[in-house]
Amino acid sequence: DTGVSQNPRHKITKRGQNVTFRCDPISEHNRLYWYRQTLGQGPEFLTYFQNEAQLEKSRLLSDRFSAERPKGSFSTLEIQRTEQGDSAMYLCASSLDSRETQYFGPGTRLLVL
Amino acid sequence: AQSVTQLGSHVSVSEGALVLLRCNYSSSVPPYLFWYVQYPNQGLQLLLKYTTGATLVKGINGFEAEFKKSETSFHLTKPSAHMSDAAEYFCAVSEALYSSASKIIFGSGTRLSIRP
Repeated sequence: DTGVSQNPRHKITKRGQNVTFRCDPISEHNRLYWYRQTLGQGPEFLTYFQNEAQLEKSRLLSDRFSAERPKGSFSTLEIQRTEQGDSAMYLCASSLDSRETQYFGPGTRLLVL
Repeated sequence: AQSVTQLGSHVSVSEGALVLLRCNYSSSVPPYLFWYVQYPNQGLQLLLKYTTGATLVKGINGFEAEFKKSETSFHLTKPSAHMSDAAEYFCAVSEALYSSASKIIFGSGTRLSIRP
């Protein structure tokens, strides 16, 4: 079991560009979550998937953000027209089901210049 | 609505001393409670969790926490601090027992420093 992996680990982009992050959950985990963590704060929930279905989105997830999990395995998080306020660590987590432990990946740190 | 309050954004203790990190929560239903640890530039690692049953929960690296419903608290302790314990600690709550969403609500974190 290799754990949750995220790519890239770091991303620097200019304001207005689009970025996409990938998360590979632990195999056979049905649940996949995205969180955002800004400096000095705890992670904040963004969205989650049960298999390929996106079941809940936080109000933090503006219409510039889109997440997919097309085959119920890996997931992508895309941010369009990035803004400096999008600079944060984006964390992915997966779990076997709703009551099981969420295991976190190492995160993707985004810096928008 | 759920919320978590961690008292003290920074705690410093001497090596070998007791570690106590405070956490209070708010939840409208019986909660699941967690402590996660985060080392610099890394993701979060689960230290321990409370779901149901025994209120004293033992975790990894010698940490434990006690669920006190009457005080809505879930403080984290370790009898003797080690230099390797220096990290950011997050208390968190979820309503997984009653909600299929099971998103986790985190506190703002406590940075633990260990003095030699």
